[in-house]
Amino acid sequence: IAGITQAPTSQILAAGRRMTLRCTQDMRHNAMYWYRQDLGLGLRLIHYSNTAGTTGKGEVPDGYSVSRANTDDFPLTLASAVPSQTSVYFCASSDSGESDEQFFGPGTRLTVL
Amino acid sequence: GQNIDQPTEMTATEGAIVQINCTYQTSGFNGLFWYQQHAGEAPTFLSYNVLDGLEEKGRFSSFLSRSKGYSYLLLKELQMKDSASYLCAVISNDYKLSFGAGTTVTVRA
Repeated sequence: IAGITQAPTSQILAAGRRMTLRCTQDMRHNAMYWYRQDLGLGLRLIHYSNTAGTTGKGEVPDGYSVSRANTDDFPLTLASAVPSQTSVYFCASSDSGESDEQFFGPGTRLTVL
Repeated sequence: GQNIDQPTEMTATEGAIVQINCTYQTSGFNGLFWYQQHAGEAPTFLSYNVLDGLEEKGRFSSFLSRSKGYSYLLLKELQMKDSASYLCAVISNDYKLSFGAGTTVTVRA
């Protein structure tokens, strides 16, 4: 693993199903983030974690949950997917979480039907 | 909420200069980033400004005026590979990054 990876690359999901998007980084970064990117709206922060064991809500957290059991992994779960959650999801990490640049994963394209 | 504005699209000719403006109204200010995002790819870091003035990095420069809530990204000697979206992002008082919608730059031969 080099940098930050996400899985799956893309997914089509029926409404009401549960889905977990995976994110793993090998840079030993303290902070990790989940964004969604929608046309015309830019990247919006869903949840973040400043360090292992802690998480916080971003701008659009409803319908999503996260956990940070260790430094490397930061999964995002949709408990019951809805069509409005159709989007491209990016995971990112940064060293300290403040003014450090964020490194982004390749993204997961999710379609909820 | 945070308000970050940048033009939706810009077109320029190969070898030319393009300036992408970004204005922001946020709850406090702790720095401004510019990211580049090619279609279908992840954003990648270009620059970071926290003090007023110009930061130059090769063909790319970024300027910040905190009193005016204004930044620009200057791309010089445009190349075809510079065709991408450019994202302005501001760190506010809660140390969260808020992004503008992005400016799509098309470079024509």
